[in-house]
Amino acid sequence: ILNVEQSPQSLHVQEGDSTNFTCSFPSSNFYALHWYRWETAKSPEALFVMTLNGDEKKKGRISATLNTKEGYSYLYIKGSQPEDSATYLCAFSGNTPLVFGKGTRLSVIA
Amino acid sequence: NAGVMQNPRHLVRRRGQEARLRCSPMKGHSHVYWYRQLPEEGLKFMVYLQKENIIDESGMPKERFSAEFPKEGPSILRIQQVVRGDSAAYFCASSPGTFDGYTFGSGTRLTVV
Repeated sequence: ILNVEQSPQSLHVQEGDSTNFTCSFPSSNFYALHWYRWETAKSPEALFVMTLNGDEKKKGRISATLNTKEGYSYLYIKGSQPEDSATYLCAFSGNTPLVFGKGTRLSVIA
Repeated sequence: NAGVMQNPRHLVRRRGQEARLRCSPMKGHSHVYWYRQLPEEGLKFMVYLQKENIIDESGMPKERFSAEFPKEGPSILRIQQVVRGDSAAYFCASSPGTFDGYTFGSGTRLTVV
């Protein structure tokens, strides 16, 4: 059974703080690691698809890194804003459909 | 581009009835995936289909649940003789290829009363 773990489960930060969370995944049969942003009452929205060890992707204030050898990825948000409040999901792609973690629920307090 | 369309958004069924959930993938996407989200749980994979074929149904309960993606028309997830434990949000996603990112629909929230 493939296990994708995300931590922390939830996080409260003040507006302007920078934050990061972790995704752990199996290091064998790795193809890609996906990050999604999921706002309440909406559908998950793709942020990044990362395939290479050492990959680093950036979209505005959000960036992500990937270590396939040890099986983890970090998502960073610089200068958090209230509109960043959402659940951030990571998903592992091997030779199966995407396996999702339970997500990290971020609340940014103004 | 309309994205992934799911309907209905909300569905209420009495125990024992049938539930039919529909998903039209994004234009150009031939791969469809169904996921279920139970309360306080993450997205759990159910079934992966391409046109007229079930590729992987390892996450779908063997009884009462079935899925299809016909040559013409949307993908259908069918739950027969629903029970209260089937109450969940069901999400459909599509992708252009096996290893591409997914585009999700807005989900169908099934409530069994």
